[in-house]
Amino acid sequence: EVQLVESGGGLIQPGRSLRLSCAASGFTFDDYSMHWVRQAPGKGLEWVSGISWNSDLIFYADSVKGRFTISRDNAKNSLYLQMNSLRDEDTALYYCAKDRNSGPSSFDSWGLGTLVTVSS
Amino acid sequence: EILLTQSPGTLSLSPGERATLSCRASQSVSTLAWYQQKPGQPPRLLIYGASSRATGIPDRFSGSGSGTDFTLTISRLQPEDFAVYYCQQSDISPRTFGQGTKVEIK
Repeated sequence: EVQLVESGGGLIQPGRSLRLSCAASGFTFDDYSMHWVRQAPGKGLEWVSGISWNSDLIFYADSVKGRFTISRDNAKNSLYLQMNSLRDEDTALYYCAKDRNSGPSSFDSWGLGTLVTVSS
Repeated sequence: EILLTQSPGTLSLSPGERATLSCRASQSVSTLAWYQQKPGQPPRLLIYGASSRATGIPDRFSGSGSGTDFTLTISRLQPEDFAVYYCQQSDISPRTFGQGTKVEIK
């Protein structure tokens, strides 16, 4: 069974940094691209960033480009999101999600999310 | 960026009725997916490639369409189907979502 477990969220002041992690199990991690998707309280889904299986391809939403860095460690079956210069508008539940197949595709597995609250 | 526009924003229906949700893309896409999200839960993949049901999804859920116009149909609403539904594309980054359609009990 595929499991994705996010951690690292919390209450953080604007301008500070936070690192999210996602521990993956139940599938061959290095066969798939992985993503971060966020959801602000009471709002819709926003794709944040994605990384290919070998980290060769990395993409970001314009809203986080230059501030967030996605990475992965295939030996540890883990995905990360380094978030710098946090803003109030980054407050959201951050989900880790897996591509359905080896090419660009939908997200077939999601974690439960980790909540990031940016506030002074 | 590919913009996805969902309609209607809210659909008020009774159990047993048919639900028809629309998603329109600003340019042609081939990787259109639909997700269901219930309160306090992560999204669940329902449909990928516009019309293929994901594993374990009941056959009352069906997807159709191509190019820029797509439809999710729930043939006979069950109590557990009242939720928010999102469309999403993976053709190009950023991988955008629609703003969602809430299916509520009338």
